[in-house]
Parts: sequence; C-alpha cells; structure tokens
Amino acid sequence: DAGVTQSPTHLIKTRGQQVTLRCSPKSGHDTVSWYQQALGQGPQFIFQYYEEEERQRGNFPDRFSGHQFPNYSSELNVNALLLGDSALYLCASSLGGATGPYEQYFGPGTRLTVT
Amino acid sequence: AQSVTQPDIHITVSEGASLELRCNYSYGATPYLFWYVQSPGQGLQLLLKYFSGDTLVQGIKGFEAEFKRSQSSFNLRKPSVHWSDAAEYFCAVGRNTNAGKSTFGDGTTLTVKP
Repeated sequence: DAGVTQSPTHLIKTRGQQVTLRCSPKSGHDTVSWYQQALGQGPQFIFQYYEEEERQRGNFPDRFSGHQFPNYSSELNVNALLLGDSALYLCASSLGGATGPYEQYFGPGTRLTVT
Repeated sequence: AQSVTQPDIHITVSEGASLELRCNYSYGATPYLFWYVQSPGQGLQLLLKYFSGDTLVQGIKGFEAEFKRSQSSFNLRKPSVHWSDAAEYFCAVGRNTNAGKSTFGDGTTLTVKP
C-alpha cells in the first residue's frame, strides 16, 4: 500500500516564476492538506482540499492556489515566486468528512529553492 | 486561535537516558494532540495522538505522552533513548471538526550522545 507521494523531490526556481507541486494521497484517503515548512520552523498550514474544493485556508496570499482531481490527487501552485517562498512543502492526506477524529499521513515533501 | 509552544529548541541526552520533550498548547475547545518526528530531509512521521479517553497514550518506538488539561500540556517521554532517536520532534494541535488543519510548534531538536 503506497503512502503519500510527492513530486518533484527538489526544485530550483527564479524569483517571479511559477511552480507546480504534486501530491498523491495514501490509498483510501480523500482529503489533501498542504503545509509550508521554512527552515528551522514547524509546518504552516496552507490549505486543504476535499471533494475537489478548497475547504480550509491558512494565512497565505492568493499567489498560493491549488487543485484536487477526481482521483483525489492534488497540485499546489505558487505564482510570482519570492525568495521567502523557499521551503519544504509537505502534503498530508487523511479521510475527509465533516468531523474528526482524524489522522494525517505526510509525504516526504518537495524542497523548493527560489533564487 | 490555536497555538503550540515547544519551549526547548534543542535538547541533548546521553544514549540510554530518559527523555521528556515539552509541549504547551492554547486551544478553546477539546484539542486533538499529536507528536511527530522528522529526520533530516524527510517528511513527518506520527509518533502518537490523543483524541479522548485515557490521558496517557502510547506510541511507536517506545514513546508515550501524557495529556494534562489543567496545564495545557502534552509532554512526550521515552524511558531510554537510542541513538536512532536523534531527530526533530514536533507537537501539533488539531480541531475536532473540519478535519485536517493542524497547528504545529516550532520543534525540538534532539541530539543523542554516545
């Protein structure tokens, strides 16, 4: 049973460019959450997708957008990249629904470097 | 708003010694609490979780944590540390509705001396 997978593993972009990160959830999971982890900090919640819609959003600008596909996989898009966007981007999957309890499974992350 | 504080940025213990990592949370309702471990360059692995019931929860790799509502704490413990436990540890709090969003502390880095 494959866990959460993310691609690519590493990525280097230039300021102002756009980037797309991809995530496939754990088998049987229908909810995907994205987190940004800057160096030396804990993960910060970006947003969550359930039933192909953004269900929750953290304190991130509109430059951060996402999508969920019918097979529950998800993409994170970041436009107009800034140096401060350099971070490890983590995807987590879980079972959805309106209430918990729940448990998230994390992927290995995509390391984004903006130069 | 929910928040998590991990007061110790870095802890060093000798192999075989006991370990306690502190976590304090702020949350307006019944929290769901988690401890994760992260090795360098890796994603997060769930060590244990507290949803309800017994306030002492057991996790993987010999870890346990105790939920103390009166102190708003959820400290992680291990009786005997192994060199392979060296990693970064994160405490997180989640909501009991709209599953998925968790708020993380900034982590504690554990170094294990031989």
